Amino acid sequence: KAGVTQTPRYLIKTRGQQVTLSCSPISGHRSVSWYQQTPGQGLQFLFEYFSETQRNKGNFPGRFSGRQFSNSRSEMNVSTLELGDSALYLCASSLTPYEQYFGPGTRLTVT
Amino acid sequence: QQQVKQSPQSLIVQKGGISIINCAYENTAFDYFPWYQQFPGKGPALLIAIRPDVSEKKEGRFTISFNKSAKQFSLHIMDSQPGDSATYFCAATLNRDDKIIFGKGTRLHILP
Repeated sequence: KAGVTQTPRYLIKTRGQQVTLSCSPISGHRSVSWYQQTPGQGLQFLFEYFSETQRNKGNFPGRFSGRQFSNSRSEMNVSTLELGDSALYLCASSLTPYEQYFGPGTRLTVT
Repeated sequence: QQQVKQSPQSLIVQKGGISIINCAYENTAFDYFPWYQQFPGKGPALLIAIRPDVSEKKEGRFTISFNKSAKQFSLHIMDSQPGDSATYFCAATLNRDDKIIFGKGTRLHILP
């Protein structure tokens, strides 16, 4: 079974720009979660989608948004990028909350 | 009440030693406690997990000890090896709310 894939793997953007990251979950997994990982803050939960609906949301500003398509693939968008948005963005898919399968992440650098 | 507090933030252990990482929680409704292991350049992967009705679970060199009354659980890595050098995250799940809460992680370095 193919694992979770994320594209692109690396991205460099300029402050003020917007960015869209993509995640393809494991086949059959309907839940997709997004996390921001930074050295000082660990894994911070952004949001979770299940069957195209946002089911849970973390404490991030409205510049961070996401969506899920009917095939369970998910995208997250960050508008008006700030330097502090530089991070590793991880996507995880799951059948239940008990086990999350993470992708390799997208390394975003904002200059 | 939804937090999971993890310590230490970083840990250095000699090869062959025991690595111990601790986590504490408040919400007694948590119903599953997994540990994830993350190597550089990779996403976290499930390592071992325990349910709150069990006090200990062992898989190879990895053991989870669970103290329900103290609301604490810990990961022990016996005979630690340089290949165990990674970041470890404890977590707690709340299945009724479809939530998983992660600790902030521990960077473990095993000296050769």
